[in-house]
Amino acid sequence: NAGVTQTPKFQVLKTGQSMTLQCAQDMNHNSMYWYRQDPGMGLRLIYYSASEGTTDKGEVPNGYNVSRLNKREFSLRLESAAPSQTSVYFCASHSGRPLHFGNGTRLTVT
Amino acid sequence: GDSVTQMEGPVTLSEEAFLTINCTYTATGYPSLFWYVQYPGEGLQLLLKATKADDKGSNKGFEATYRKETTSFHLEKGSVQVSDSAVYFCALSVKTSYDKVIFGPGTSLSVIP
Repeated sequence: NAGVTQTPKFQVLKTGQSMTLQCAQDMNHNSMYWYRQDPGMGLRLIYYSASEGTTDKGEVPNGYNVSRLNKREFSLRLESAAPSQTSVYFCASHSGRPLHFGNGTRLTVT
Repeated sequence: GDSVTQMEGPVTLSEEAFLTINCTYTATGYPSLFWYVQYPGEGLQLLLKATKADDKGSNKGFEATYRKETTSFHLEKGSVQVSDSAVYFCALSVKTSYDKVIFGPGTSLSVIP
């Protein structure tokens, strides 16, 4: 089925470890986004990529980096994980509105 | 800046009860407005949308009307079902250098038989 695929679904890290969250979409969308979801705070934008080859900071970019590998794939990297990065991470894409979301990655940093 | 405010809940209703979830927004320009729904363990899905004043979005028995004069986009359903239990997010979208989407904090709804 067409959509946005995120891997992994769950991850536990120790403080200081690094990891990359993967996202791929097969809808030929130009724009892709990474959000984090925390209780009572809705979704906050970490980084976005308006088109292949471009990336920009969102509302809460500190501690993260991204790569728009090609039109399909947009990865999010935590270089040195901190407990404050414990969250659920969602990738989304669109061309026009609305956003299409993946099922999320639940990350716990101990 | 742009923002969305919605009642946070949790909201608990009996099956067949009437549902209202309030949403108000602040935005420069003319935003599009959305309601997204998130079922347990899943990502957000679009429930309905409205792109200009007085538009009514509707889907699966849910409705919301874009009220520019009160900057509101309240979600309503006449008779909720157990399967409507989910978290509901109000959101606005404005075109800047990208399609900027601002989400409310979400309202958790539980419907009991």
